[in-house]
Amino acid sequence: DTGVSQDPRHKITKRGQNVTFRCDPISEHNRLYWYRQTLGQGPEFLTYFQNEAQLEKSRLLSDRFSAERPKGSFSTLEIQRTEQGDSAMYLCASSLARDSEQYFGPGTRLTVT
Amino acid sequence: GQQLNQSPQSMFIQEGEDVSMNCTSSSIFNTWLWYKQDPGEGPVLLIALYKAGELTSNGRLTAQFGITRKDSFLNISASIPSDVGIYFCAGQLRGNEKLTFGTGTRLTIIP
Repeated sequence: DTGVSQDPRHKITKRGQNVTFRCDPISEHNRLYWYRQTLGQGPEFLTYFQNEAQLEKSRLLSDRFSAERPKGSFSTLEIQRTEQGDSAMYLCASSLARDSEQYFGPGTRLTVT
Repeated sequence: GQQLNQSPQSMFIQEGEDVSMNCTSSSIFNTWLWYKQDPGEGPVLLIALYKAGELTSNGRLTAQFGITRKDSFLNISASIPSDVGIYFCAGQLRGNEKLTFGTGTRLTIIP
């Protein structure tokens, strides 16, 4: 069991550019979650998948954000036309089943200049 | 979005001291979780609690699920340097997949 992995760990981009992050969950975990964490705050829920189905999206997830999990394994989170307010740590988590513990990856820190 | 209230916001202690922190919510939860986060890393799960009144230990860490289901407590005994970091509580409603996190307690050990 290798844990949740995320790539890249750090991303610096210019305002207006598109960025894409990848998350690989713990194998056999069918639930995958995306959270965003800004400096000095706890993580905030963005969206989650059960297998390949995206079942819930937060109001924080604007139209510029899209997430996919095409084969029910890894997931990608894309941000289009990045803004400075998108600068944050993007965290991915996975869990085995409903109401079971969520395990987090190391995060991708995005800086928009 | 909603964030749970954690207290204290920060703690400065000496190595070997015991630590207590708590987390309160205006609404009830069915599950309480405690995570520790180091700078630049993701949160690491420490303890999970599933029943009101439950007391669970993980080494030097002990956490309790408040009987009102609106709060939780974390104690660390005999602190060591690697305990430094930010501790987050998180609540979850049964059937609701998202975690609602607290604002964090930053623990610093004074030499």
